[in-house]
Amino acid sequence: AQTVTQSQPEMSVQEAETVTLSCTYDTSESNYYLFWYKQPPSRQMILVIRQEAYKQQNATENRFSVNFQKAAKSFSLKISDSQLGDTAMYFCAFIMNRDDKIIFGKGTRLHILP
Amino acid sequence: NAGVMQNPRHLVRRRGQEARLRCSPMKGHSHVYWYRQLPEEGLKFMVYLQKENIIDESGMPKERFSAEFPKEGPSILRIQQVVRGDSAAYFCASSPYGNTIYFGEGSWLTVV
Repeated sequence: AQTVTQSQPEMSVQEAETVTLSCTYDTSESNYYLFWYKQPPSRQMILVIRQEAYKQQNATENRFSVNFQKAAKSFSLKISDSQLGDTAMYFCAFIMNRDDKIIFGKGTRLHILP
Repeated sequence: NAGVMQNPRHLVRRRGQEARLRCSPMKGHSHVYWYRQLPEEGLKFMVYLQKENIIDESGMPKERFSAEFPKEGPSILRIQQVVRGDSAAYFCASSPYGNTIYFGEGSWLTVV
């Protein structure tokens, strides 16, 4: 069975600093997709970034980037120049490359401090 | 292109009543997922549907819960004889191919 593990329940950083959120996963598949979702206090689920497992290049979206280590089954999220609006729960998620459900980690609560 | 639309956003039911949550996927999306989020917890998968078919319902409680996605109209998550433990946020998500999903804003069910 596929699993997603986020080992940091909660983190706090000062505004403008860089922060990295960890995620590891377990699968025997070779083709899959990985995601980071953000859930702010409004509780809406917002897709932050997406990575295809067959691509070696790490995905980047503005201040958000990932460090995808396929052999290590690691998928960390780096937030550069953090902003107060980045305060949220962040969920790492996984889906195989076929019709299947998306599996979420338990989340990391990130606080950006002024 | 409108996003995933869920209604009602907030629903209050007394114990023993029925709750119906609706989800209209994004235009062109034929895959619908339902997830439940209890307070201070992550999202738990409930059911995955395509038009007129339930693909995976391994996360659905065996009793009182059902879901459908008819050929026409929204997907509906139905909870019969609600209990206090059903109080949660219920998120619907949709995708065109099943490998990137987009969430609605959630429906908050409170059982009193």
